[in-house]
Amino acid sequence: NAGVMQNPRHLVRRRGQEARLRCSPMKGHSHVYWYRQLPEEGLKFMVYLQKENIIDESGMPKERFSAEFPKEGPSILRIQQVVRGDSAAYFCASSPSNSEAFFGQGTRLTVV
Amino acid sequence: TQLLEQSPQFLSIQEGENLTVYCNSSSVFSSLQWYRQEPGEGPVLLVTVVTGGEVKKLKRLTFQFGDARKDSSLHITAAQPGDTGLYLCAGTTIQGGSEKLVFGKGTKLTVNP
Repeated sequence: NAGVMQNPRHLVRRRGQEARLRCSPMKGHSHVYWYRQLPEEGLKFMVYLQKENIIDESGMPKERFSAEFPKEGPSILRIQQVVRGDSAAYFCASSPSNSEAFFGQGTRLTVV
Repeated sequence: TQLLEQSPQFLSIQEGENLTVYCNSSSVFSSLQWYRQEPGEGPVLLVTVVTGGEVKKLKRLTFQFGDARKDSSLHITAAQPGDTGLYLCAGTTIQGGSEKLVFGKGTKLTVNP
């Protein structure tokens, strides 16, 4: 059973471009969380999704950020018109319920 | 307001010492997890505690869930350099009308040889 897969591991974007981060949850997991982490800091909750539904997006900026978890395929975190302040590590976690979560290795976004 | 407060924020000790890190909240959690994260990697689940007063042991690590299910502690005996990392606690709670997993900011542990 493969773990949570995130890609790409590293992503470099110029200011104003779009960033697409992908997360394939573990098999059988229908809950997906996205977190953002700055260096030397903990994980900041962004959004919680179940298949085809956004359950809680209270941690996600209302502009430029969006997330989806379609019926088929990976969950996508999309950042439009990136700015330098978007540079961070973005982690996805999946869970079979609302308890323990299993994390991917993250995508490190650098905006230049 | 941080739902889960972890302390200390930073801890640097010598190999062989014992240590305890804490995770506290005013909220009740249906379950609580501890994770360890190494630089450049995602957090790895160490343990899940569910029952108030529960104690779980994982080799040199001892995890305790408070009786009221609001707090937890992680005790490491005879720490080793390989224990170095960011220790995160996370709890499942109802917030904003939905049940979700929330994290503390973590305790960054450095074990010096």
